[in-house]
Formats: sequence, structure tokens, C-alpha cells
Amino acid sequence: DTAVSQTPKYLVTQMGNDKSIKCEQNLGHDTMYWYKQDSKKFLKIMFSYNNKELIINETVPNRFSPKSPDKAHLNLHINSLELGDSAVYFCASSPDFGGPLHFGNGTRLTVT
Amino acid sequence: GENVEQHPSTLSVQEGDSAVIKCTYSDSASNYFPWYKQELGKRPQLIIDIRSNVGEKKDQRIAVTLNKTAKHFSLHITETQPEDSAVYFCAASKGAQKLVFGQGTRLTINP
Repeated sequence: DTAVSQTPKYLVTQMGNDKSIKCEQNLGHDTMYWYKQDSKKFLKIMFSYNNKELIINETVPNRFSPKSPDKAHLNLHINSLELGDSAVYFCASSPDFGGPLHFGNGTRLTVT
Repeated sequence: GENVEQHPSTLSVQEGDSAVIKCTYSDSASNYFPWYKQELGKRPQLIIDIRSNVGEKKDQRIAVTLNKTAKHFSLHITETQPEDSAVYFCAASKGAQKLVFGQGTRLTINP
């Protein structure tokens, strides 16, 4: 069983489109995150939710909107995609905020 | 806020030799220091972590040391093997605060 699963694995789309990435964790963790990893491999936190409540929003453009319907799910919707949004997006969870992270397998987003 | 610097950015060692990656952090209140390994095309995975109440922790061929006075911590890999080739990330956090990652070290093990 995959502990943190995200879909899709690959996403290729054109500039201006809107897309969503879904994430689910079956670890019973309270906290979930979205990270962006750019071509230089740097891991940058975007959002964090604790028990469905937003606790971190790292100056991410308003085009990015996370949604957490329950503490096991954290989805990411991106409007008006731009070339610079191309990256690998990782979902992660932890037992509590700041604790050990369990990452999903990532979604490679390519905007053309 | 916390800032984590990681060195070197790339490291190449002969198989069987040791590898050391070092990180420094800025916030003296940080108390949790994990290390993640990311193989090519895969997700980062936690390989070892240490809390500020201990100075060293070992798990088979890997160890982490922490120097709170100097605000640095290091990852040591002994008897390196080809499967150790990956990007390694250090991170730091304090209490219920976000993890701040270092820039990553690409480790290559040469056969």
C-alpha cells in the first residue's frame, strides 16, 4: 500500500490551462503539505494544512489554490498555468506539524 | 527565520570510501534535524534524523552528528556503495515549525 499517493504522475499542458493534482495519505497523519521541486532540485514548501486548516502559505501566487476536504486529502488546483510552473510537485504528510515527512511519488508538471 | 546551508553541492567518492555532507543552520532554537535521500526520479525519503538532545546517531553505515554550539550537523556514510548515489537533503526545524531544507548534495559513488 502506498502511504502517500498523488495523481497524476505526469501532467503535460499548455499555458493558460487550469489543472489539478490530487493527494491522499493513509497514514493517519494530521498534517499535509505541498512542495515544489524545481530543475535545480531545491525543495520549496508551498502550503501546509493541519487537520484541514491552512497553516502555511509561502507567498505562492493566487493562481495556486489548495483544498483539504478532510485530513487525509490535500489537492492542488492551478489556474492559468505559466511556463515557470513547470516542476515536480510533491505531496507529503507528517504525524504533526514539523515532524518527519512522508513524500508522495511526485507529479511532474510540464507547461508548454 | 531559519536558514540552512548545505555543502558541498556535489560530491564524488570511490566505492568503499566514506562521504561526509555538512549543514549549518541559523536558528539556535532548532531542535530537529532530518536527512532525506532522493534517488533519480524518485521521492525524497527519510534516512536518519536527530534531535537536539543527542550528539550522534548511527544506523548501520550512516550516522549523523550534531554540534549545537557551532550550529552544524553532518551526515556520514561509510563503506559507500553504488546504491548510495543520490541527492541528499538536510533540514532543520524547531518545535511545531516548518522544516527548512538545505540546497541538496548530489553524491556520486564511482566503482
